[in-house]
Amino acid sequence: GAVVSQHPSWVICKSGTSVKIECRSLDFQATTMFWYRQFPKQSLMLMATSNEGSKATYEQGVEKDKFLINHASLTLSTLTVTSAHPEDSSFYICSARDPGLAGGDFKDTQYFGPGTRLTVL
Amino acid sequence: GNSVTQMEGPVTLSEEAFLTINCTYTATGYPSLFWYVQYPGEGLQLLLKATKADDKGSNKGFEATYRKETTSFHLEKGSVQVSDSAVYFCALSANQAGTALIFGKGTTLSVSS
Repeated sequence: GAVVSQHPSWVICKSGTSVKIECRSLDFQATTMFWYRQFPKQSLMLMATSNEGSKATYEQGVEKDKFLINHASLTLSTLTVTSAHPEDSSFYICSARDPGLAGGDFKDTQYFGPGTRLTVL
Repeated sequence: GNSVTQMEGPVTLSEEAFLTINCTYTATGYPSLFWYVQYPGEGLQLLLKATKADDKGSNKGFEATYRKETTSFHLEKGSVQVSDSAVYFCALSANQAGTALIFGKGTTLSVSS
């Protein structure tokens, strides 16, 4: 099946620094990628939708200036947490939508990366 | 709007017991339905999916049937194993290009030997 990777898997940083997280689709091209945030023992909350070659669409309440998203190619999206603070500590997960067979039915299967655990001291 | 409701956990079972995790949804149109599993310390993995009414998704002994009349997609397994201990998420997609998944809150399953 389709594989999505994230890097790094774990990062610890000091308050005030910026952290970049990469999300790559390894064996398919993803025009759309999604970024989620997961708090301990809770469900995934969608942060933003990343479209290749255009600006990301942010969910209500998500600061676009704090969580910068760049979808520079069909296989790579990056999330940069700027001026990170302890409250930004969380598990960040990306997903990429596999468009499926060309010309076939819409196959909205999303494949998830393994996640990046961010700890801000 | 679209939403997913899962039974609250945790669910605690003995090995070889029968498992049911209830999931109901609210959606306009004809969404696709999914079950994802998250093992401790890992990311989400697609467990199974169904894209239209009466479809049955199955994988690793788990199965779920897309019931439009009851707007449900309950997850079942006839005989659970300790290795099935994980968090299970029910999700839907509105089947429109570029739409994200909408997740339920997740149900923690703990299986003891």
